[in-house]
Amino acid sequence: EPEVTQTPSHQVTQMGQEVILRCVPISNHLYFYWYRQILGQKVEFLVSFYNNEISEKSEIFDDQFSVERPDGSNFTLKIRSTKLEDSAMYFCASTSFGQAQFFGPGTRLTVL
Amino acid sequence: AQTVTQSQPEMSVQEAETVTLSCTYDTSENNYYLFWYKQPPSRQMILVIRQEAYKQQNATENRFSVNFQKAAKSFSLKISDSQLGDTAMYFCAFMKFAGGGSEKLVFGKGTKLTVNP
Repeated sequence: EPEVTQTPSHQVTQMGQEVILRCVPISNHLYFYWYRQILGQKVEFLVSFYNNEISEKSEIFDDQFSVERPDGSNFTLKIRSTKLEDSAMYFCASTSFGQAQFFGPGTRLTVL
Repeated sequence: AQTVTQSQPEMSVQEAETVTLSCTYDTSENNYYLFWYKQPPSRQMILVIRQEAYKQQNATENRFSVNFQKAAKSFSLKISDSQLGDTAMYFCAFMKFAGGGSEKLVFGKGTKLTVNP
């Protein structure tokens, strides 16, 4: 069964460093998302992406964040200058029109 | 803006028994989808069940079923014959219908379910 994959599973970084989280969505899906879950809290929407551009972004998704689909298979989330409060689980999800979103296993980001 | 409320932070059930998790939501939309996702200790988000708002029939997936009350904006999840592997956080989620595409999910805060042997 096709699945969404994410790498790395765990990323540790120093405050102020740039990180890139990678996702490979399900191959025939057209809509891509990043969500964030701070430990013990609910899952929050960050950004949606369709047709090579951002469809919607939340207040969390400020200028420090960017997304890219560089090669038709990968979907990346970049955080330019990480802050302590960026420590969270980051989930990538993908879907086709009218279908449920399928989530990857997540990347646990720890900012020290 | 849509909101999703799960009023039960934690619940427990004995193995083989039935448990119902509550979810209410607030929206002015008429067309939308509702979902239950399961998050086991591994923290993977796993789709359990989905419901289209235009369908009156409640969705069922094996031991999982929903009670969808559109007028009351209520969407509860019933787990029958609970198994130890059902132990997880359960998130209720709302997605408004997008005529030409797909929308973001709005999640509740979750209910932590423990199945006891």
